[in-house]
Amino acid sequence: KAGVTQTPRYLIKTRGQQVTLSCSPISGHRSVSWYQQTPGQGLQFLFEYFSETQRNKGNFPGRFSGRQFSNSRSEMNVSTLELGDSALYLCASSPGEGRRVQYFGAGTRLSVL
Amino acid sequence: TQLLEQSPQFLSIQEGENLTVYCNSSSVFSSLQWYRQEPGEGPVLLVTVVTGGEVKKLKRLTFQFGDARKDSSLHITAAQPGDTGLYLCAGPRRDDKIIFGKGTRLHILP
Repeated sequence: KAGVTQTPRYLIKTRGQQVTLSCSPISGHRSVSWYQQTPGQGLQFLFEYFSETQRNKGNFPGRFSGRQFSNSRSEMNVSTLELGDSALYLCASSPGEGRRVQYFGAGTRLSVL
Repeated sequence: TQLLEQSPQFLSIQEGENLTVYCNSSSVFSSLQWYRQEPGEGPVLLVTVVTGGEVKKLKRLTFQFGDARKDSSLHITAAQPGDTGLYLCAGPRRDDKIIFGKGTRLHILP
């Protein structure tokens, strides 16, 4: 069974640009969560999707958004990039709602210059 | 605010030694999870503890959930270089958002 796949693995953008990150969950998993990981703040919850609906959202500005498709694949978008958005963005999938057991992808490392 | 504080932040020890890392909070958690993250990878779930006082063993790793469900510890016996990594604890807040501690970065010297 393939694991969680995140693309791209690395991304370099400049301030003001926007970016879209993709996550393919484990086959059969319907819940996808996104996290931002930085050395200073650690892992912070961005949002969770289940069956194409956002179930929960962390304390991030509206520049951060996401969506989930009918095949459970998810994308997150960050608009008007800031230097502070440089981070490792991790996606995790779960079999059902509630995120009790999460399987993480390897992440997308975003650098904003 | 529910927070998870992990200590120590960094730990470097010789192969074969024992160690304990901690995850503490002033709040009660319904469960806590421990993850290990290696460079260039996402966190991998090691264990979930649910019951106060619960002890779980995973080979040389022993996890304990405090009686009051406010803290947890991870003890590694006879550490090996393969144990090197970032150890994270995580738990669900009352609003069901998952929070993570900032982790303990463990380095085992051969």
